[in-house]
Amino acid sequence: KAGVTQTPRYLIKTRGQQVTLSCSPISGHRSVSWYQQTPGQGLQFLFEYFSETQRNKGNFPGRFSGRQFSNSRSEMNVSTLELGDSALYLCASSALNEQFFGPGTRLTVL
Amino acid sequence: AQSVTQPDIHITVSEGASLELRCNYSYGATPYLFWYVQSPGQGLQLLLKYFSGDTLVQGIKGFEAEFKRSQSSFNLRKPSVHWSDAAEYFCAVDSGENAGNMLTFGGGTRLMVKP
Repeated sequence: KAGVTQTPRYLIKTRGQQVTLSCSPISGHRSVSWYQQTPGQGLQFLFEYFSETQRNKGNFPGRFSGRQFSNSRSEMNVSTLELGDSALYLCASSALNEQFFGPGTRLTVL
Repeated sequence: AQSVTQPDIHITVSEGASLELRCNYSYGATPYLFWYVQSPGQGLQLLLKYFSGDTLVQGIKGFEAEFKRSQSSFNLRKPSVHWSDAAEYFCAVDSGENAGNMLTFGGGTRLMVKP
């Protein structure tokens, strides 16, 4: 089985722009979770989608949003980018309470 | 709210020596517990997990962890460290199957291996 894929792997944006990141889960997995990893805050949960519905949400501002499609692929969007949004964004797909992580998208905001 | 503490930010061990990485959690019920490893620039790889049952769990790459409810701990061990084990290790807790998938991570422990 192919693993979790994330695109793009690297992204550079400027403050005020918006960005969309994509995640393709392992085939058959219906749950997709997103995490932000920064040196200062560590790994923080953003949100989880299951069968196209947001099931859990972390403590992030409304500029961070996501969605899931009928094929379980998920996207997350960050609007009005801030310097502090520079991070590694990790996606994980899940079955039976075990999460499998993708390689991440490294976002740099200038 | 659940939380995870990894008291050691950095640990250096000699190759061939034993290793123990500490993890303490705070959660009201029996949590689902995980250890992940991350190499530079990579995603997270699951080493092992504890849901219930035997409190000593075996994982990949020769790692094991022991769940101790009385101490709220889930420490990771390896009897003999290899140079390729140098990486960052994260302990994580999940609320369980009825709450969805929402991991809370510790701050991580960076392992360095001396030749």
